[in-house]
Amino acid sequence: EVQLVESGGGLVQPGGSLRLSCAASGFTLSGYYMDWFRQAPGKGLEWVGRTRNKANSYTTEYAASVKGRFTISRDDSKNSLYLQMNSLSTEDTAMYYCARYILVTSLRYSDYWGQGTLVTVSS
Amino acid sequence: DIQLTQSPSFLSASVGDRVTITCRASQGISSYLAWYQQKPGKAPNLLIYAASTLQSGVPSRFSGSGSGTEFTLTISSLQPEDFATYYCQQVNSYPLTFGGGTKVEIK
Repeated sequence: EVQLVESGGGLVQPGGSLRLSCAASGFTLSGYYMDWFRQAPGKGLEWVGRTRNKANSYTTEYAASVKGRFTISRDDSKNSLYLQMNSLSTEDTAMYYCARYILVTSLRYSDYWGQGTLVTVSS
Repeated sequence: DIQLTQSPSFLSASVGDRVTITCRASQGISSYLAWYQQKPGKAPNLLIYAASTLQSGVPSRFSGSGSGTEFTLTISSLQPEDFATYYCQQVNSYPLTFGGGTKVEIK
């Protein structure tokens, strides 16, 4: 059974840093692209960024709102995905989700999502 | 960036009703569109991908159609467990973007 479990959220002061983790099980992480998404309280969904799979050299993409502040990495040997968040502002307060991305010819979609981890940026 | 405009943003309906949600893209995205259902306090759940392909395990009362810039999600007969918020997402180009959501509530 595919499972994604996020951890590492919590309360952090503006300007601070936080590292989120996403533990994957039930599939081989190295074969998949993985995304981070977020959802501010009472708001819609926002894509944060992506790491491609081993075959595509683990390259990354980021939303403009986080580029230069957030870094996505992964350790396939530990079946884990990470989101390093620096220079946090109150606008980064959100539930953060990791999700597996399927890319097969013309088929593209996020099929499994974790339950999320809440990040609150406040003084 | 590709903007996705969902309508309506709020919908009040009764059990058994046929419900249609529209998603319009600011530029053509072929069929690179997915639909998600989200219930309060839960992660999004994939319903439809490639605009019209039903995800495994999703009831057949859900269907999707469209290509290019206009897409629809239809629930043929609304069930109590379908009251939720629905989002469209384009996966044609970066940044990936979502519609603003449609909240479906009980009439």
